[in-house]
Amino acid sequence: GIQVEQSPPDLILQEGANSTLRCNFSDSVNNLQWFHQNPWGQLINLFYIPSGTKQNGRLSATTVATERYSLLYISSSQTTDSGVYFCAVERFQGAAGNKLTFGGGTRVLVKP
Amino acid sequence: DSGVTQTPKHLITATGQRVTLRCSPRSGDLSVYWYQQSLDQGLQFLIQYYNGEERAKGNILERFSAQQFPDLHSELNLSSLELGDSALYFCASSGRRVSGVNEQFFGPGTRLTVL
Repeated sequence: GIQVEQSPPDLILQEGANSTLRCNFSDSVNNLQWFHQNPWGQLINLFYIPSGTKQNGRLSATTVATERYSLLYISSSQTTDSGVYFCAVERFQGAAGNKLTFGGGTRVLVKP
Repeated sequence: DSGVTQTPKHLITATGQRVTLRCSPRSGDLSVYWYQQSLDQGLQFLIQYYNGEERAKGNILERFSAQQFPDLHSELNLSSLELGDSALYFCASSGRRVSGVNEQFFGPGTRLTVL
């Protein structure tokens, strides 16, 4: 099956700093999503971004499908950005379903 | 709030027991997915239902089963529970009729503890 690797595994930031999280995947995909898992365990949708660039406030994401990677940018980080960031991909399987395959996550801690 | 609801939020039970987790998808979504998040295995896909029919299966144990009802809510049944089944179980939904985008939205999860 498709492999999803995220880097770095851990990131410690000072409040106000910028950072880049990376997601590499091993095959072509038709869906790529970024999630933030907050300290209470909730998975929050950040971006649906199978290709191109999107921005939402201090967060932005870019997926280069032809090179099989996606980047998540966090600017001016805040303590509320702490948590685990997951990248998940779906490889088109037609009638065989739409499962997401998750990477191992990047654990982010933003210090005040 | 994603619009996906799950009950219960927490469940504590003993080995050998059986439990049922319930999920209501977002209004209009036809697909329901179940995922398991454990410390050693990460987030893993278990099973997908589309409009009442099983669509895809992941590494779901034979002791686990699921179904989707005519009103599109879904239940995940876990039986003969073992300590290793302790995990966070998520339900997700996707597939609003008017959109071709298959973005999945996750519920708050059910935290299962098997003692």
